[in-house]
Amino acid sequence: GQNIDQPTEMTATEGAIVQINCTYQTSGFNGLFWYQQHAGEAPTFLSYNVLDGLEEKGRFSSFLSRSKGYSYLLLKELQMKDSASYLCAILDSNYQLIWGAGTKLIIKP
Amino acid sequence: IAGITQAPTSQILAAGRRMTLRCTQDMRHNAMYWYRQDLGLGLRLIHYSNTAGTTGKGEVPDGYSVSRANTDDFPLTLASAVPSQTSVYFCASSIDSTGELFFGEGSRLTVL
Repeated sequence: GQNIDQPTEMTATEGAIVQINCTYQTSGFNGLFWYQQHAGEAPTFLSYNVLDGLEEKGRFSSFLSRSKGYSYLLLKELQMKDSASYLCAILDSNYQLIWGAGTKLIIKP
Repeated sequence: IAGITQAPTSQILAAGRRMTLRCTQDMRHNAMYWYRQDLGLGLRLIHYSNTAGTTGKGEVPDGYSVSRANTDDFPLTLASAVPSQTSVYFCASSIDSTGELFFGEGSRLTVL
């Protein structure tokens, strides 16, 4: 079966760094996406990885290891506005997106 | 402003009633999707369309139907609503089946 695991909830401090992990087992792999979703709002695109390695985009970075079925999203210099849910999604062999349940990130002052 | 719009934003519906959620995009995206999002679960795909004139079933299609008569519009119909269809529904589009998704603001549906 297809499975994506993310921690349900994480707490971090403003100004700090946090790493949100995503592990997956899917039928094929055509890329991994991270989306951000603030409470009561729609998800918005953060990053896309299809090759192993680190993709950096400002304060956010995303890492992928296809052999380990593992990705992480790294958020640096945390701000209160980063409080949101972070969704990991895999594009499988049929080019269908399989979504994790999301990680709720709580930022404390 | 270019984007994707959904209507209504919120609706309370009696069980057994028919309901259509509307979705329109003006980005000329080929692919469109309907998801439902329930607490503690990931986004679940209801139906999708890779291009105008074609549709496909997602993970949870039962009780829902869609049509894609043109590029811009992708309505979702609940033929006879049931309480288990209470959820937040998101319409999304992408340039093709591999691209990033752009989501509408969501439609909160309550079936009593």
